[in-house]
Amino acid sequence: DTGVSQDPRHKITKRGQNVTFRCDPISEHNRLYWYRQTLGQGPEFLTYFQNEAQLEKSRLLSDRFSAERPKGSFSTLEIQRTEQGDSAMYLCASSSDRGLYEQYFGPGTRLTVT
Amino acid sequence: QKEVEQDPGPLSVPEGAIVSLNCTYSNSAFQYFMWYRQYSRKGPELLMYTYSSGNKEDGRFTAQVDKSSKYISLFIRDSQPSDSATYLCAMSFQGGSEKLVFGKGMKLTVNP
Repeated sequence: DTGVSQDPRHKITKRGQNVTFRCDPISEHNRLYWYRQTLGQGPEFLTYFQNEAQLEKSRLLSDRFSAERPKGSFSTLEIQRTEQGDSAMYLCASSSDRGLYEQYFGPGTRLTVT
Repeated sequence: QKEVEQDPGPLSVPEGAIVSLNCTYSNSAFQYFMWYRQYSRKGPELLMYTYSSGNKEDGRFTAQVDKSSKYISLFIRDSQPSDSATYLCAMSFQGGSEKLVFGKGMKLTVNP
């Protein structure tokens, strides 16, 4: 399967713990996006990478959130000191410069903060 | 007012029906318009995208964009039970990150 993959698929953590999620985009895609989706809502943009450069961050991305994309390949999203309000599906998407508006999503990581 | 408005439904139709899904938006700078399908507990799957105004057809699916009315539609002909999912409209500006702005999603059930 050459689609976008995410790991883990599910994560249950206690409030105050740190969590890290990984996204592997489609191999030739240089653009990578993170979105967050809560129940009954559409995904909301968090941040965007072009190759290894993080070029845009949403105001939703508080200072407890950090994302990286070393070497322009996979990306990680870390949440420090998790809060119950962080419970959501975290989605990763990728696209290429030839198909900018065709973003392909991974299966998501479902986070539950207890 | 949210930038993209979509009636969340739910919508229930019999198999074979024509389904019409719609979104309105407020920002006239949106240039690209997409429809995604999302099955329960899965990531969104791109169905179609359209640039600016006009129609686009792909099999049983037709996407329409009316920029003058800030209104987009997705029509599904001969709906099947396998079409049961949440349908999300999404829009993007031209240039920059091309991040997507989504509607809430409409939950569709097609009954056999």
